[in-house]
Amino acid sequence: NAGVTQTPKFRILKIGQSMTLQCTQDMNHNYMYWYRQDPGMGLKLIYYSVGAGITDKGEVPNGYNVSRSTTEDFPLRLELAAPSQTSVYFCASSGDGNYGYTFGSGTRLTVV
Amino acid sequence: GESVGLHLPTLSVQEGDNSIINCAYSNSASDYFIWYKQESGKGPQFIIDIRSNMDKRQGQRVTVLLNKTVKHLSLQIAATQPGDSAVYFCAENMANQAGTALIFGKGTTLSVSS
Repeated sequence: NAGVTQTPKFRILKIGQSMTLQCTQDMNHNYMYWYRQDPGMGLKLIYYSVGAGITDKGEVPNGYNVSRSTTEDFPLRLELAAPSQTSVYFCASSGDGNYGYTFGSGTRLTVV
Repeated sequence: GESVGLHLPTLSVQEGDNSIINCAYSNSASDYFIWYKQESGKGPQFIIDIRSNMDKRQGQRVTVLLNKTVKHLSLQIAATQPGDSAVYFCAENMANQAGTALIFGKGTTLSVSS
């Protein structure tokens, strides 16, 4: 099992550009999450999904979009990148009734 | 909204000492708590969890204590080793509500010197 896989690991974007952060899991987990982590801070929830076709906003959803067309994949979309979106992004998943999340290794994004 | 916080941003200990990392939570409805360890450049890793119907839970070299009266959570690491150096986060969840997610505190950086 690969667990939770995130790509890319690093990315530099220019202001106004768009990109998609990929996240896939092979554990057949229903629940998937996107968090961002700013330097010296905890993780803030951006979006989450409780199953294919269902998504919901977290604490800091502005500037992001998600989709969940399959159980395995939960991509995060940035449409118009802003410097405030410079952060490390973590994707996580958990099975039904299992609240110990499995995290990916993160995507470090810099917007200049 | 309500959030989970940690008492100290940093903790420095000597190898072999016991470490205690504290966390205060504010949501009295939370009934499930987790401690995560995050090493530099990696994602958080699950350490240990505890449900609100328990006061104490032990793992390998780690113990989590929950005091619901004062809404306090602590992580004890026995015989701390250099490999324990990392940032530790507590997180809370309302386990009976489908669709909720973990709320994380800011983290405590544990530094272990030889």
